[in-house]
Amino acid sequence: ETGVTQSPTHLIKTRGQQVTLRCSSQSGHNTVSWYQQALGQGPQFIFQYYREEENGRGNFPPRFSGLQFPNYSSELNVNALELDDSALYLCASSLQDGNEKLFFGSGTQLSVL
Amino acid sequence: RKEVEQDPGPFNVPEGATVAFNCTYSNSASQSFFWYRQDCRKEPKLLMSVYSSGNEDGRFTAQLNRASQYISLLIRDSKLSDSATYLCVVNRDGGFKTIFGAGTRLFVKA
Repeated sequence: ETGVTQSPTHLIKTRGQQVTLRCSSQSGHNTVSWYQQALGQGPQFIFQYYREEENGRGNFPPRFSGLQFPNYSSELNVNALELDDSALYLCASSLQDGNEKLFFGSGTQLSVL
Repeated sequence: RKEVEQDPGPFNVPEGATVAFNCTYSNSASQSFFWYRQDCRKEPKLLMSVYSSGNEDGRFTAQLNRASQYISLLIRDSKLSDSATYLCVVNRDGGFKTIFGAGTRLFVKA
């Protein structure tokens, strides 16, 4: 196992609500990235946090936001949920050492009704 | 056009076959390259890094052609357990952005 844990594993929300997903990175890893994976698609990069700051972002609107804490764990917040936000949300931790190998958690399956 | 494009698949092959996956990327500033494997309803897992000199790990061989912006993965002597989706991955912006292809699904049949 990777040592990356995500919670919750499954979540059901209704349109317009807000959601917070959590991720604990692998011991020793200082970087956390978040991805959205729709059914049948590859993971889409949302953003990356390094030393508690967002330092890379994909094509996602501002209602997708995040935090990284001093222990390198992270949260993904999504406001004003839309039906299309239904997806598997994956967190990956890595060591910012130029290697960029990602170690994923098992994801949070979000359903927006 | 997507930044990382892969063969759409799926590939259906018998056990023992050799199968090749192709991937192209559009951003010439891309710095590092990987293949990940994703089993159904599971998270992606790193299969191998890809280097210009080519690298091999058992039955798996990966190759990078920077001039053509092309990445390949060759699987020899396919096993039933190789059935999965194979994701081509490109990293850029100093490591701050990782882009996944849509994946190619492989079915290995007995």
